[in-house]
Amino acid sequence: RKEVEQDPGPFNVPEGATVAFNCTYSNSASQSFFWYRQDCRKEPKLLMSVYSSGNEDGRFTAQLNRASQYISLLIRDSKLSDSATYLCVVNTFPASGGSYIPTFGRGTSLIVHP
Amino acid sequence: DTAVSQTPKYLVTQMGNDKSIKCEQNLGHDTMYWYKQDSKKFLKIMFSYNNKELIINETVPNRFSPKSPDKAHLNLHINSLELGDSAVYFCASSVDRGADTQYFGPGTRLTVL
Repeated sequence: RKEVEQDPGPFNVPEGATVAFNCTYSNSASQSFFWYRQDCRKEPKLLMSVYSSGNEDGRFTAQLNRASQYISLLIRDSKLSDSATYLCVVNTFPASGGSYIPTFGRGTSLIVHP
Repeated sequence: DTAVSQTPKYLVTQMGNDKSIKCEQNLGHDTMYWYKQDSKKFLKIMFSYNNKELIINETVPNRFSPKSPDKAHLNLHINSLELGDSAVYFCASSVDRGADTQYFGPGTRLTVL
């Protein structure tokens, strides 16, 4: 099983739709979680951190389910400008010590059409 | 006032050559990273330095050698380039070695012919 798995998509949705992505992780010791957005031929940029209690930022809502080891991202009222690849990131502190190791999922592609 | 910058942006070279990519951050962060993003868009961490000290060294061939002259700079030198090294290399930084937000540079697109 891969450490961090995402459905690559693409998710093809009309403007105004609500779309949700999931990301599963294999290491139950993982400590922190993020969603990044990457536009074509650009660098990844932080979209939002994911907190245990869930958190919202405008049209975006992130959830963490530690028991089932997944995080989710919900986008409401999709805009054309939301078209991008959404990467989930899981930070894990190794049992052998050292430093948090960030692991990226392969990303989920979202295409919002008029 | 670019936060994380990389040079060059594009690099086209022949197999067997040696090349370097430079990264600088002006955010005052302690931790810097190198990632490789292959043709399938999979972003994988290669190295991380915290205040000039190597703290993450994933399974990367010895041909890749990072160097951090100070905490604002992290360079990547690659010896004997191979076709499989073709990828986009991203530099990133974060406040410290904890589970922080990372800020990425624009990437260096390396093509090995």
